[in-house]
Amino acid sequence: EAQVTQNPRYLITVTGKKLTVTCSQNMNHEYMSWYRQDPGLGLRQIYYSMNVEVTDKGDVPEGYKVSRKEKRNFPLILESPSPNQTSLYFCASSLSREASAEAFFGQGTRLTVV
Amino acid sequence: EDQVTQSPEALRLQEGESSSLNCSYTVSGLRGLFWYRQDPGKGPEFLFTLYSAGEEKEKERLKATLTKKESFLHITAPKPEDSATYLCAVQARFGSARQLTFGSGTQLTVLP
Repeated sequence: EAQVTQNPRYLITVTGKKLTVTCSQNMNHEYMSWYRQDPGLGLRQIYYSMNVEVTDKGDVPEGYKVSRKEKRNFPLILESPSPNQTSLYFCASSLSREASAEAFFGQGTRLTVV
Repeated sequence: EDQVTQSPEALRLQEGESSSLNCSYTVSGLRGLFWYRQDPGKGPEFLFTLYSAGEEKEKERLKATLTKKESFLHITAPKPEDSATYLCAVQARFGSARQLTFGSGTQLTVLP
């Protein structure tokens, strides 16, 4: 089954404690991205990756890091989480950046930073 | 800067009561406009892509249309299972490789 898998689904952590949210896709997609979803603000892109070892900032990259060492994996790293990073996070993948490539989303990770 | 505005924020319909959701956009050259459905606690699920003004796409009770400034998602004779948040997103033809700019969504509730 084609899918994007995120882990964990729920996470409560304390300010400053480094964490990683994993994302893996099994569709051999080139393009992967991370979004955060906040009430009234919609989905905002954090980082994206066009392919292995190619990543770039989205709209709200501050406080986040990513890496793309393998095509299937695209982890999101919060080196020093702060309460304003409390949000619902989604990983997405698509065959390419092109408009005809529909994006497949993971189930989401609800992060709370206290 | 690309912008997407969806209205209304929330919509409550009786089962069978048809209506439309609106998505207004500004973008520096439209490559594509996307509609997604999002159920509570889940990631968005792709519905349609529209590329040019005048284009229409249909899927069951849903029909998406596109003009040069907005898109409509028409829901004909909705059922309770159509209850969800519907998201609109655009992709610009030019500029960065950033893929999609999303609106805040319309939360649709269909009452039995």
